[in-house]
Amino acid sequence: EPEVTQTPSHQVTQMGQEVILRCVPISNHLYFYWYRQILGQKVEFLVSFYNNEISEKSEIFDDQFSVERPDGSNFTLKIRSTKLEDSAMYFCASSQDYSSYNEQFFGPGTRLTVL
Amino acid sequence: QQQVKQSPQSLIVQKGGISIINCAYENTAFDYFPWYQQFPGKGPALLIAIRPDVSEKKEGRFTISFNKSAKQFSLHIMDSQPGDSATYFCAASINTGNQFYFGTGTSLTVIP
Repeated sequence: EPEVTQTPSHQVTQMGQEVILRCVPISNHLYFYWYRQILGQKVEFLVSFYNNEISEKSEIFDDQFSVERPDGSNFTLKIRSTKLEDSAMYFCASSQDYSSYNEQFFGPGTRLTVL
Repeated sequence: QQQVKQSPQSLIVQKGGISIINCAYENTAFDYFPWYQQFPGKGPALLIAIRPDVSEKKEGRFTISFNKSAKQFSLHIMDSQPGDSATYFCAASINTGNQFYFGTGTSLTVIP
């Protein structure tokens, strides 16, 4: 069964450093998402992406964040200057269609620890 | 603003018992209500979902009950098994949008 993959599984970085989280969505999916989950809290939407453009973004997704689909398979989330409060599990998801009726498939997540 | 409220935060159930998790929402424009199941170290996986035009949806041991007037929906797990031990998230979204608003999660433990 196709699945969303994410690398690395755990990233440790110093405050102020840039990090890039990588995702490989399911191959025939067209819509991509990033969510985050601070330890013990709910999953929060960050951004959605389609056709090389951001479709929707939340208040969390400020100028420190950017997304990119650098090639035909990868989807990345960049945090330019990490803060302590960026420590969280980051989930990538993908869906076949731009509709909330279509299942979003989640990857296993990248745990980001900012020291 | 907390769009979706979920309770309880944690739940312990004996094997064979019924697990019930409740969610309430604020935005009447929501029209898609999925439940996600998350095991440790894994991403959330869709368990079951409902639209507000029906009051109940059943898939195997899992049932969603939906009360549109009360703006509430719940997940019932019948004959709970130790393998059901996981964190469960309710969510809601608007048809024309693609952002899911998640609840805070319920940690379910099924005791053998």
